[in-house]
Amino acid sequence: AQSVTQLDSQVPVFEEAPVELRCNYSSSVSVYLFWYVQYPNQGLQLLLKYLSGSTLVKGINGFEAEFNKSQTSFHLRKPSVHISDTAEYFCAVRSTMDSNYQLIWGAGTKLIIKP
Amino acid sequence: NAGVTQTPKFRVLKTGQSMTLLCAQDMNHEYMYWYRQDPGMGLRLIHYSVGEGTTAKGEVPDGYNVSRLKKQNFLLGLESAAPSQTSVYFCASSRGQPFLNTEAFFGQGTRLTVV
Repeated sequence: AQSVTQLDSQVPVFEEAPVELRCNYSSSVSVYLFWYVQYPNQGLQLLLKYLSGSTLVKGINGFEAEFNKSQTSFHLRKPSVHISDTAEYFCAVRSTMDSNYQLIWGAGTKLIIKP
Repeated sequence: NAGVTQTPKFRVLKTGQSMTLLCAQDMNHEYMYWYRQDPGMGLRLIHYSVGEGTTAKGEVPDGYNVSRLKKQNFLLGLESAAPSQTSVYFCASSRGQPFLNTEAFFGQGTRLTVV
């Protein structure tokens, strides 16, 4: 079984500052990893995903994440945030071996941009 | 494009009342899902459907029923609402098995409060 831990429930950051949202997972087998974003009053949308290959994954809106197998982490980063990045961010994982194609979701991190 | 539309967006129910949440998608997707999102927790799958006329239980199906009589619609029913069902409900759809090669599209959510 897999589990996902998002270490921070809220991350406040000043506009134009860099940000890192942390995600750690637990799994005895190899995994696929995802970040989804939920803007206020909207549904979730895919930000980026790691399936295989390069461990540095680039997503939409200037976000990127790095898969670190030894540390079982998939932290999300952006070098300079904008007020429009205010949203809740969800990390999710799925075993590559799993026939159940659903994701295991983290509890989410609210990114709060301070002007 | 409408994408995935959920009706209603907000609802307050009294304990024991029943209601139906409607999810409609206009993308001709085969797969549809109902999730609930609770504070401090990730999304949890309630029920899903892999095609018209089919439904299956997810992670937390108790207290809910679903129907997929038409390909574009996926209904979630609460026969006798309980305060524990206070949550935000999300519907999603995908062309094929989601999250890997096909993206899942989410609705805006329904905020349900049971008093």
